[in-house]
Amino acid sequence: DAGITQSPRHKVTETGTPVTLRCHQTENHRYMYWYRQDPGHGLRLIHYSYGVKDTDKGEVSDGYSVSRSKTEDFLLTLESATSSQTSVYFCAISDPFSDSSSYNEQFFGPGTRLTVL
Amino acid sequence: AQRVTQPEKLLSVFKGAPVELKCNYSYSGSPELFWYVQYSRQRLQLLLRHISRESIKGFTADLNKGETSFHLKKPFAQEEDSAMYYCALLAWNSGGSNYKLTFGKGTLLTVNP
Repeated sequence: DAGITQSPRHKVTETGTPVTLRCHQTENHRYMYWYRQDPGHGLRLIHYSYGVKDTDKGEVSDGYSVSRSKTEDFLLTLESATSSQTSVYFCAISDPFSDSSSYNEQFFGPGTRLTVL
Repeated sequence: AQRVTQPEKLLSVFKGAPVELKCNYSYSGSPELFWYVQYSRQRLQLLLRHISRESIKGFTADLNKGETSFHLKKPFAQEEDSAMYYCALLAWNSGGSNYKLTFGKGTLLTVNP
């Protein structure tokens, strides 16, 4: 597995509380992504980053914010969690300008299961 | 905007039977397509990409631009092929400076003994 870790791996929280999920990589890849995975919806992109301090919205960005202050860390914040944000969250990395044959492959983290009560 | 459609949420076959997981896409540019797989309790991983034209674990997928399809096929399914399969389309922005992957909703394949 590529060097991608996510923390926490499981979290239960209450509606209205802030939550921050962390993605950490040791591959020095430029791109990092946050997805959520829900039954019947597959994988949906929340936000992504194409460099330090460079981020952009995905298709389901409402209610989420991100920050990337250094190459290896990409944080996803739910400012005020809602029950609709109960999901499994995956981080992924890629480096489209790499010389290697895997230049467009996305490598995924193990996921964080978030439950909002 | 790009879109990926996987028409089957669930697909069940018997061991040794052929399997085909369908994927259709819509995209105005030149497509780059992938199949990702997620085995139970494991992270998603790349299975194959169309530009490599390779066979991985007996699976192949051919890009058909006329039908805008990228179906995944295997002639003889095995029980260990049971997993969730996602088709994905890579799309660059207009300036070519960054890209996103758009995933289909996935097909859960079950191979019965």
